Amino acid sequence: AIQMTQAPSSLSASVGDTVTITCRASQAIRNNLSWFRQIPGKPPNLLIYSASTVQSGVPSRFSGSGSGTDFTLTIRSLQPEDFATYYCLQDFNYPRTFGQGTKLEIK
Amino acid sequence: EVQLVQSGAEVKKPGESLRISCKGSGYNFASHWITWVRQMPGKGPEWMGVIYPVDSDTIYNPSVQGQVTISVDTSINTAYLQWSGLKASDTGIYYCARGTLPTDHWGQGTLVTVSS
Repeated sequence: AIQMTQAPSSLSASVGDTVTITCRASQAIRNNLSWFRQIPGKPPNLLIYSASTVQSGVPSRFSGSGSGTDFTLTIRSLQPEDFATYYCLQDFNYPRTFGQGTKLEIK
Repeated sequence: EVQLVQSGAEVKKPGESLRISCKGSGYNFASHWITWVRQMPGKGPEWMGVIYPVDSDTIYNPSVQGQVTISVDTSINTAYLQWSGLKASDTGIYYCARGTLPTDHWGQGTLVTVSS
């Protein structure tokens, strides 16, 4: 199975900041990568798919980039609801695999 | 509006069987894969498997193959995840979601607690 490695595992920031989370695949996955935000007690919420396509209804402060093995999620102008845990998911082949998560906390 | 509504929380004993459900509405249920994901307490999500309602084509994660069965009943737009012999290590939240590329709408989750 493809291994997905996220960095950092945790991150502190303030409202209004810009943050970047990275995800690295153990083999090339073209652009078959999604990003999710998960608030405690809620299901994951799709933010980005195909590495850079913003899901309908997701604010434009979220953006994604990358291809092959290295990907990034950038969140500009952090809002209170953005303090959550973020996961990448490769949807290149089966079994799908998630990164281990990045917990974004308020500084 | 696309919705996936899952069955309620369950408390079971080790060795018992269980089937949880996921009912889709607001879209053509048959034409979208249904994905199942588990999340153990305090851990990240783990992809379990996926089923295509039209022909019940199913792909399992090797980590759960043989431990669970994924099925679907297109007449009532419902997918299922079942166990024939639960273990304490099956305790967690189980999510269904629409699609596999991408997985775009998620159910609210079903908490399964297995304890003697």
